[in-house]
Amino acid sequence: KAGVTQTPRYLIKTRGQQVTLSCSPISGHRSVSWYQQTPGQGLQFLFEYFSETQRNKGNFPGRFSGRQFSNSRSEMNVSTLELGDSALYLCASKLAGALQETQYFGPGTRLLVL
Amino acid sequence: GNSVTQMEGPVTLSEEAFLTINCTYTATGYPSLFWYVQYPGEGLQLLLKATKADDKGSNKGFEATYRKETTSFHLEKGSVQVSDSAVYFCALSDPAGGTSYGKLTFGQGTILTVHP
Repeated sequence: KAGVTQTPRYLIKTRGQQVTLSCSPISGHRSVSWYQQTPGQGLQFLFEYFSETQRNKGNFPGRFSGRQFSNSRSEMNVSTLELGDSALYLCASKLAGALQETQYFGPGTRLLVL
Repeated sequence: GNSVTQMEGPVTLSEEAFLTINCTYTATGYPSLFWYVQYPGEGLQLLLKATKADDKGSNKGFEATYRKETTSFHLEKGSVQVSDSAVYFCALSDPAGGTSYGKLTFGQGTILTVHP
């Protein structure tokens, strides 16, 4: 079974631009979560989608948004990029969203904001 | 709120040494606990997990026991290899409030370097 895939793997943007990242979960998985990883803040939860609905959201500004499609693929969007948005963005999927289920992570998208 | 605290790193060991990485947590409910590993340039891989008190998770020679009385989930391995060099993250998933479904709370990560 194919793992979680994320595209693109690397991105360079300038301040003020917007960016869209894509995540394809493991086949059959309906829950997709997004995390931001930075050296200073570590791994922080952005949001989670389940059956096209945002079910949980972390403490990030409204510039960070996401959505999920009927095939469970998910996108996250960051508008008006700031230098501090430079990070590794990780997507994770799990089967049905139960707490004890394992989340499987993709390789991440590394975003550099100049 | 929920939190996870890992021992300060980095940790440097010689091959075949014993490894312990401490992890303690604060949670309002009865969390599930996880250890993830991240190799350079890659995403996170699940190493092991435990979903209730006294459960022991194990994989690839690594073990961790869910200790509710000490709110701990320490990672151990009896004999490390150079290939174990990576960053290790302790994490929890907390059911409190019924709204945490997909949210993992992570520790800050511990860098492990194993020398031949």
